[in-house]
Amino acid sequence: NAGVTQTPKFRVLKTGQSMTLLCAQDMNHEYMYWYRQDPGMGLRLIHYSVGEGTTAKGEVPDGYNVSRLKKQNFLLGLESAAPSQTSVYFCASSYSANAFPRYFGPGTRLTVL
Amino acid sequence: AQSVTQPDIHITVSEGASLELRCNYSYGATPYLFWYVQSPGQGLQLLLKYFSGDTLVQGIKGFEAEFKRSQSSFNLRKPSVHWSDAAEYFCAVGSPSSGGYNKLIFGAGTRLAVHP
Repeated sequence: NAGVTQTPKFRVLKTGQSMTLLCAQDMNHEYMYWYRQDPGMGLRLIHYSVGEGTTAKGEVPDGYNVSRLKKQNFLLGLESAAPSQTSVYFCASSYSANAFPRYFGPGTRLTVL
Repeated sequence: AQSVTQPDIHITVSEGASLELRCNYSYGATPYLFWYVQSPGQGLQLLLKYFSGDTLVQGIKGFEAEFKRSQSSFNLRKPSVHWSDAAEYFCAVGSPSSGGYNKLIFGAGTRLAVHP
């Protein structure tokens, strides 16, 4: 039981490049979330998913897209990276609508030059 | 609007000393309150949560927190700190959202250093 895993752990991009971050969970959770963490700020919700095939915008969705083709995976895409997207990205999951995010992945540190 | 304030950005304590991390929240109704810990290079781990009932909540790793409605506070405490407690601690307030999920608003975090 690996919990929530994220790939990759670190990445450096140039402005305008694209990339996809992968989040996987093996707990059969319905809900999955992508957060970003910036210095001096708490985590902020980018996008979330309430089940396979569904996604929705969180607090800071601009510049990101997501997909949930399989229940266990939640992908976060940056189509044209910008320096403002330099951040640490965390994925989280929860088992139902009545549950709060409990399990977080180890994070992906992204730097956009 | 909901918000969470953690007044202390950095705290340093000696190993074996007691610890209190402060958290103040702004929320119109009875809040759901959480403390998470983030060890270096790791994701967040839930330490404890308060939903209702007893205002003193016990968590993992010997931590506890007390909900004080009159002070809008949810301070985290530990009687004797261990070197392994060095980490960043986040307080959060949760509520249902219009999007059908449970929303978490995080504080900016308090970084704890432990001196031997």
